[in-house]
This record gives sequence, C-alpha cells and structure tokens, in this order.
Amino acid sequence: AQKVTQAQTEISVVEKEDVTLDCVYETRDTTYYLFWYKQPPSGELVFLIRRNSFDEQNEISGRYSWNFQKSTSSFNFTITASQVVDSAVYFCALSGPGDTGGYQKVTFGTGTKLQVIP
Amino acid sequence: EADIYQTPRYLVIGTGKKITLECSQTMGHDKMYWYQQDPGMELHLIHYSYGVNSTEKGDLSSESTVSRIRTEHFPLTLESARPSHTSQYLCASSEYRGTQYFGPGTRLLVL
Repeated sequence: AQKVTQAQTEISVVEKEDVTLDCVYETRDTTYYLFWYKQPPSGELVFLIRRNSFDEQNEISGRYSWNFQKSTSSFNFTITASQVVDSAVYFCALSGPGDTGGYQKVTFGTGTKLQVIP
Repeated sequence: EADIYQTPRYLVIGTGKKITLECSQTMGHDKMYWYQQDPGMELHLIHYSYGVNSTEKGDLSSESTVSRIRTEHFPLTLESARPSHTSQYLCASSEYRGTQYFGPGTRLLVL
C-alpha cells in the first residue's frame, strides 16, 4: 500500500521568507518515484519535479529546492525568498514501478495551501 | 511542455442533462486518467486507461463513463448530471516513468 502525508494543511508566509513544505511517504516498493505538483488558483496542476528512489541527490532549480531522504521517507520542498506568485496548493505524489499491465498507481497527498503575503 | 487539452473549461448545466467532457493529448502517451477534485482539495482517481480500448475504474466510485477509441482522446460522459457531480474534473496523461501531465481542468456546476 502506498501513502503520502502532507501534514501541513495551510501555511502563510510574508514575501521573501523561506518556506518548507513537508512530505512523508510510505511504500513497500524498492523502486518508486516521487513528485511535486503546483496548483495555482487557475486549477491546473503543474508538474515541478520527479525523483526516483535510487537518486537521493538534492536538487535545486532557481528558488526551488528538494530534499529527498530515504532514511526518513521524506521528500521536502523548500521555496527560498518566496513571492506572491508562489501562492498555490502544492501536492506531493508517489508512484510505484508499475504492474505487469503497465499501470503505475500514483498516490497524491492531500496538499498544502501556501499563501504568500505581500 | 505538456500538450493536453480539456473542453469546456467551465460548464453550468441543469439536472438530468447528459454531458461529455473532452480530453485530448498530443504527446502519444498510452496512459490517461480522470480525476475529480473540489478546488484545492484532494484528488480522487475516477477512471484510467492503459491504451486504446482499455478503461478501468479508479479508486473513487463514479457514475461517469469513459471511452478510449483513439490514443489521443479520452472523453468522460455523465448520462444524467446531478448537483452531487458539481466539481472540477482533471484529465492527465503519463509517460512510461509515471510523470502525469495535467490539462487545465473542467469546472462543472450542476444546478
């Protein structure tokens, strides 16, 4: 069984503050993928990043960075110097390796709503 | 950049009407999905497809049906809309590594 927990329901920060969104996952698979998506008020889910279970290197993309730690089953997302445009709901997701039919179940967390106040 | 399209973006309709939500992708992905979501809330998988002529029900029971006659097209149909169907419907497709790319969504309001 797969499970993704985003314990932070809502976070408010003042513009230019750093903020970390937590994601903890559970899976029995040895091969799996982790994702982060952003959902702005327009409603579309925007893919941000994918990591596979064999790659624990942290990644930085501009003001975004991701910290993957298998030892704690966590895949946290940090926004540095937050901006108003970062206001959105952020979803963490987990996918297994795929069954024999090719279906990969993707389990989404319940999302964290981030509000960046000017 | 993902190319997945949904129409209409917004739909207001009366109870009992039949509706079809369109979803198309130009990436050649075999796998496609429909999710139901109240805005900003949890996503619920209602249908998915491995490929042409393959459809399966998802985790959340839904009165909707889907078809997959062409790789690029995955429409969702409600035979008789009810107020309980009011929600946002998101279509997605995925590559072999599992990354799902989402369309802009259809916001449905049933009066």
